[in-house]
Amino acid sequence: NAGVTQTPKFRVLKTGQSMTLLCAQDMNHEYMYWYRQDPGMGLRLIHYSVGEGTTAKGEVPDGYNVSRLKKQNFLLGLESAAPSQTSVYFCASDLPGVNTEAFFGQGTRLTVV
Amino acid sequence: AQSVTQLDSQVPVFEEAPVELRCNYSSSVSVYLFWYVQYPNQGLQLLLKYLSGSTLVKGINGFEAEFNKSQTSFHLRKPSVHISDTAEYFCAVSDEVKGANQAGTALIFGKGTTLSVSS
Repeated sequence: NAGVTQTPKFRVLKTGQSMTLLCAQDMNHEYMYWYRQDPGMGLRLIHYSVGEGTTAKGEVPDGYNVSRLKKQNFLLGLESAAPSQTSVYFCASDLPGVNTEAFFGQGTRLTVV
Repeated sequence: AQSVTQLDSQVPVFEEAPVELRCNYSSSVSVYLFWYVQYPNQGLQLLLKYLSGSTLVKGINGFEAEFNKSQTSFHLRKPSVHISDTAEYFCAVSDEVKGANQAGTALIFGKGTTLSVSS
């Protein structure tokens, strides 16, 4: 049972380059999320999705775009990477409701130089 | 919107000593609280959660937390820590999020507490 899988695990980008982070879950979860983790800041919500074909902005959405074309996949795009986007990115998924457990991927460590 | 405050950014302790990691949340009528652990270079793993009922919640690896509504706290405790408990611990609250034409729920995290256990 794979759970939540993120690819790639590591990436170095030059300023201005673009890339897409892929998140895949095999638990048939409706909700999916992208967070970024920075030292001393905890995890902050970038974008989320409550179902296939729908996305919405979280706390820190600027500079990112997302798509949820298939229920099991949630893509996070950086169109023009900036050094401020150097971070560890986590994807998570869960079922609807405030009382459900979220499952997290292993993270993607992104460095923008 | 809900918010979570973890009162200590770092907690150093010796092996076999007790530990308490403090977490306060913003008040609300209903609240659902979680503690997650992150071991070095890994993702987040659920330790325990409070949804309703008993205010003392037991989790994995010998951890427990007590929900205190009057003090809006959800402190994490372990009576005797091991070297292997060295990790970052996150307190989180489940909250409604409202995007354009879309509402859902998401975890709102505190800034984390680094627990360092030494021999």
